[in-house]
Amino acid sequence: GAVVSQHPSRVICKSGTSVKIECRSLDFQATTMFWYRQFPKQSLMLMATSNEGSKATYEQGVEKDKFLINHASLTLSTLTVTSAHPEDSSFYICSARDGSIPQFTQYFGPGTRLTVL
Amino acid sequence: AQTVTQSQPEMSVQEAETVTLSCTYDTSENNYYLFWYKQPPSRQMILVIRQEAYKQQNATENRFSVNFQKAAKSFSLKISDSQLGDTAMYFCAFTSNFGNEKLTFGTGTRLTIIP
Repeated sequence: GAVVSQHPSRVICKSGTSVKIECRSLDFQATTMFWYRQFPKQSLMLMATSNEGSKATYEQGVEKDKFLINHASLTLSTLTVTSAHPEDSSFYICSARDGSIPQFTQYFGPGTRLTVL
Repeated sequence: AQTVTQSQPEMSVQEAETVTLSCTYDTSENNYYLFWYKQPPSRQMILVIRQEAYKQQNATENRFSVNFQKAAKSFSLKISDSQLGDTAMYFCAFTSNFGNEKLTFGTGTRLTIIP
């Protein structure tokens, strides 16, 4: 149980284009999903928290107009990187929290490696 | 604000030996949760073990156990009978009822199991 998928696993795009990353909880309902960014050899940096049916809460310094988050259902959240630039190249990881379990555990997707040329 | 500190950037140990990874944290809250996550070269974050602060008993999961010292705000991970598959980055993390359930991560410890 507690499986989170992420798609695509890798994406290469040209500068100025937009990229959408999907995060799905496969066997549980995710009341809350989280989006992280991880640079090489560093820890995870939280970008935003999304709750189903409401607007995402962004961390300080994260541009909400650049990183659009939609949590349309209890099993799907999407992150869209708009007008991507080379500095947006990174490893993006989502996680989901099972609302039926009170222990606040987050389960992580396998990540998406974004390369912007 | 909560902080999580992992003071060992890298560790290595012979296969089958026991290794302990250290983690300290700082919080003013009384009710919270602590986690150890493993990130192997595939970069998939995997939950290793979880501890609830109100439980005095240390959590164990097969070869993995923790030493939770609430007063000292210490949460170390012990890996017994280490295996090659244990080679990974290990992150200690904290969350609580407050702060929108956000996870605060430490900087990680890179563990290498030597055959």
